[in-house]
Amino acid sequence: EDQVTQSPEALRLQEGESSSLNCSYTVSGLRGLFWYRQDPGKGPEFLFTLYSAGEEKEKERLKATLTKKESFLHITAPKPEDSATYLCAVQAWSGSARQLTFGSGTQLTVLP
Amino acid sequence: DAGVIQSPRHEVTEMGQEVTLRCKPISGHDYLFWYRQTMMRGLELLIYFNNNVPIDDSGMPEDRFSAKMPNASFSTLKIQPSEPRDSAVYFCASSPGLAGTSTDTQYFGPGTRLTVL
Repeated sequence: EDQVTQSPEALRLQEGESSSLNCSYTVSGLRGLFWYRQDPGKGPEFLFTLYSAGEEKEKERLKATLTKKESFLHITAPKPEDSATYLCAVQAWSGSARQLTFGSGTQLTVLP
Repeated sequence: DAGVIQSPRHEVTEMGQEVTLRCKPISGHDYLFWYRQTMMRGLELLIYFNNNVPIDDSGMPEDRFSAKMPNASFSTLKIQPSEPRDSAVYFCASSPGLAGTSTDTQYFGPGTRLTVL
């Protein structure tokens, strides 16, 4: 069974204080690892897809990296508008190939 | 593009009533997904369709839940009869569909917050 564990559950940062969110996964064969951002009362908003170990993607202050066991979402010099819940999900090659298995998320708060 | 459209955005109903949630996927997307999000269980896949055909409904909690996709631009999720434990946010998502490429990304709608009293 595919499993995704995100840590920490919650993270409070001061504006400008860089940090990283972790996503550990267990999957029979990784088709893709997805990062989403979710604001209160809204649907998850797609950020990145990573397909193979060693891959990195960047968008503004966010950078996602992938190894064979985990992914990191690095946030550089965050701003209050980066406050949201960040969700990690995996898609496996086996079984129902289109299914995304989500972690429980990291709730990020960036204080001004 | 308007993105994935869901209606209603909020639904409050009484136990035993029928509830119908609606979704319009992004035009040209071949896959449609229904998810449920709760504090206890997070985001869970209920069912997904490919070209209007249900592919995997193993996440549907019980026979009270049913989903249809009569055409490429419309899907419904029905709960009959509804129960208080069905209270959750229900999301619809769509995907263009080629696995292992950027076109496999699922795009989510704004969700329907369902409260069953």
